[in-house]
Amino acid sequence: QQQVKQSPQSLIVQKGGISIINCAYENTAFDYFPWYQQFPGKGPALLIAIRPDVSEKKEGRFTISFNKSAKQFSLHIMDSQPGDSATYFCAASITSGTYKYIFGTGTRLKVLA
Amino acid sequence: DTEVTQTPKHLVMGMTNKKSLKCEQHMGHRAMYWYKQKAKKPPELMFVYSYEKLSINESVPSRFSPECPNSSLLNLHLHALQPEDSALYLCASSQAGQGYEQYFGPGTRLTVT
Repeated sequence: QQQVKQSPQSLIVQKGGISIINCAYENTAFDYFPWYQQFPGKGPALLIAIRPDVSEKKEGRFTISFNKSAKQFSLHIMDSQPGDSATYFCAASITSGTYKYIFGTGTRLKVLA
Repeated sequence: DTEVTQTPKHLVMGMTNKKSLKCEQHMGHRAMYWYKQKAKKPPELMFVYSYEKLSINESVPSRFSPECPNSSLLNLHLHALQPEDSALYLCASSQAGQGYEQYFGPGTRLTVT
């Protein structure tokens, strides 16, 4: 119940295309859902985050879609660029009570020029 | 300043050595974390310090010893490590204990020979 399932494991997209990464959770106590981007040899960097009171959040080319009833959330990267090639991790957290900050297994995105 | 710094960037140590990893942040964050990350895997939580007190130890072997000298600094003391401890060690900080964005440092690449 503590897992966050992330798919796909790897993704290849043409430049200008849309990259879509999905995550699913089971614990309904999770109430904060961030996405991190990690380049090789670097630490993860927060990309965008959402709380369950909204169904969508957009920041530039990055959009999180959140489906509370399905317990799923996804990251959409519009107009994907070669510089977006990185590993993306979703995460789920509980903002009060017992500490929980669970990362998904990661998606390696490659954007072809 | 939204930076978390870590030193050293790379560390090679023998199984009988004693070494320390250092982490520093000047964002006024009151929670700091140590993660271990193996290749192609998500970060794995090791320790959480909240208001300079150890609040979570994820059953980490005693050969890893964390220390939080003050609210800006976090150390990880290493002793008698095993080759399987070779990994990227990440430090992170956040505004409070959970439910907030975590800011990661670039990590220390540790190799145990």
